[in-house]
Amino acid sequence: DVKVTQSSRYLVKRTGEKVFLECVQDMDHENMFWYRQDPGLGLRLIYFSYDVKMKEKGDIPEGYSVSREKKERFSLILESASTNQTSMYLCASSPDRVDLGTGELFFGEGSRLTVL
Amino acid sequence: AQSVTQPDIHITVSEGASLELRCNYSYGATPYLFWYVQSPGQGLQLLLKYFSGDTLVQGIKGFEAEFKRSQSSFNLRKPSVHWSDAAEYFCAVGAGGTSYGKLTFGQGTILTVHP
Repeated sequence: DVKVTQSSRYLVKRTGEKVFLECVQDMDHENMFWYRQDPGLGLRLIYFSYDVKMKEKGDIPEGYSVSREKKERFSLILESASTNQTSMYLCASSPDRVDLGTGELFFGEGSRLTVL
Repeated sequence: AQSVTQPDIHITVSEGASLELRCNYSYGATPYLFWYVQSPGQGLQLLLKYFSGDTLVQGIKGFEAEFKRSQSSFNLRKPSVHWSDAAEYFCAVGAGGTSYGKLTFGQGTILTVHP
């Protein structure tokens, strides 16, 4: 089975702290994604990466950055955490393009971040 | 830009009753459509997906969905709901080509099942 592992299930940080959320997948997938999940808003794409050292902005990239130094690892960085970044963060990976029939996303269990 | 609307935020059904969750999408070309389920405290799991061909798609756990291009809909159905189906359900649409697997999700529908 594909496994996407997020390093922290629950984090509590203070306003202004730098926050790292780590994600590792074990299936050699090309694409990796960070989504943010909020009640009533569904999942919104923050950033994605289709190759090592490549990254693309999603729908809500402001206040976030990402790093992909190795194919299996995709990190989300909050340079200076703010209270409006309190949320559930979901990492996902996929092997290929959606239209090739293999675009299914595989999700981690999520990291719930609280910023005080 | 693609978008997805799930009109029902919360649905309550009795165990054994039938279920239909609504999903409407907006996309200019052929859409690639998905339904995911999220149990409490878990990540999302794929229920089913539509790429082409037969517009009635079968998924896991006894779920099915029907793609209706004329109505821009992809509603999820189950003939008899089990208590373990209580979860949040997300509809999503993806684009082809160089979209690299990006999916746009709806707002989610929370399903409560009464015994």
